[in-house]
Amino acid sequence: QLQLQESGPGLVKPSQSLSLTCSVSGGSINNNTYYWSWIRQHPGKGLEWIGYIHHSGSTYYNPSLKSRVMISVDTSKNQFFLKLTSVTAADTAVYYCARDLGGYTPFNWGQGTRVTVSS
Amino acid sequence: QSALTQPASVSGSPGQSITITCTGTNNDVGRYNYVSWYQQHPGKAPKLIIFEVNNRPSGISSRFSGSKSGSTASLSISGLQAEDEADYYCSSYTTRSTEIFGGGTKLTV
Repeated sequence: QLQLQESGPGLVKPSQSLSLTCSVSGGSINNNTYYWSWIRQHPGKGLEWIGYIHHSGSTYYNPSLKSRVMISVDTSKNQFFLKLTSVTAADTAVYYCARDLGGYTPFNWGQGTRVTVSS
Repeated sequence: QSALTQPASVSGSPGQSITITCTGTNNDVGRYNYVSWYQQHPGKAPKLIIFEVNNRPSGISSRFSGSKSGSTASLSISGLQAEDEADYYCSSYTTRSTEIFGGGTKLTV
């Protein structure tokens, strides 16, 4: 059964970079059918799509975050990563990783990891 | 990209049926049949309940159904149960090769 697990620092200082890892088990990142997404949810708010990556390296990002976001993949470790630079308090959120069917549908989700931006 | 538009809240009594709408544009909902719906209980990750407008993943009750007309998609829940009380989000693929979510709807049973 597919499982996704987010990991990374729960606290990041303003102006620094936020880096998260999503470890995938029970399925291969190399499957051509899927993209691998990052999605976040601000406290008490709705969902915001951040972007996704295909194992081939193709990436697509939310235009509002594109200048600060990089998503990468390590197929040998079956992991993918999120880096968000120059963070502010507005980046405080629960960050989810997900397996995305065809680049159209976040199908399977991790449990999420809470990240707080504060000095 | 602006979020898809959903009502902030809907309510219904046990056994009743409700419908939640999700309005987009010709660049997302109106263009593609890649509309999904998610159920999220407090403190939990979202769970996919409908994909590609009207398809249910394995294990999802047939009480949940989806449809679309023009740039508005709808999620219907029949035979409301107490455990259906949750937040519901729609999402769509867009012409920018991105994805976009709705603002969410709180369902009270």
